[in-house]
Amino acid sequence: SYELTQPLSVSVALGQTTTITCAGNNIGRKNVHWYHQKPGQAPVLVIYRDINRPSGIPERFSGSNSGNTATLTISRAQVGDEADYYCQVCDGSTVAFGGGTKLTVL
Amino acid sequence: QVQLQQSGPRLVRPSQTLSLTCVISGDSVSGDSTAWNWIRQSPSRGLEWLGRTYYKSKWYNEYAVSVQSRITIYPDTSKNQFSLQLNSVTPEDTAVYYCARGALWTGTPDWIDPWGQGTLVTVSS
Repeated sequence: SYELTQPLSVSVALGQTTTITCAGNNIGRKNVHWYHQKPGQAPVLVIYRDINRPSGIPERFSGSNSGNTATLTISRAQVGDEADYYCQVCDGSTVAFGGGTKLTVL
Repeated sequence: QVQLQQSGPRLVRPSQTLSLTCVISGDSVSGDSTAWNWIRQSPSRGLEWLGRTYYKSKWYNEYAVSVQSRITIYPDTSKNQFSLQLNSVTPEDTAVYYCARGALWTGTPDWIDPWGQGTLVTVSS
């Protein structure tokens, strides 16, 4: 099965920029999608196909993907961005999720 | 706007069958650009994709290797819903179960959006 590795936690100062990485073998050849999940809620899509934002997701959220690492960047971090973030890819006929990264806004 | 409403028992006895249903509004279970997924989440296993069903000239079912011997996902076009059955459950199957719509991009499953509200299913005697 395809493995995706994320840092367990990331912190960012209010108003600053942070990145969350997702590592996988040649992940740059796959489409990577990102979700955030707040406590007690279902995951919500924030980036799809590496760089695309669904409607309603602020421009502060952006993504990139190359080589063995995909990256979610959150600019001008807000308290409301605190959540768990997950990356996801499709690998053949299955789906793989990263282990999740807890984002703390200080 | 697509909405997914899950229903089903929240307590299942060990060795029994876990059954959940997801009613779709705002989209069609037999649409040719969507796949319908079941995903679970537990502290020990994180987010775990279980499987999906989708229609592309015919019905397809794809399952995770970890559960493929015990799982069935099937659509009900008359009720515009899809269901999960997981047989021979153990306490390890205790998790929050989500139904979710997946996009078919150029006919291939891709991102997942939106997700249902989630159902905590406990396997215990």
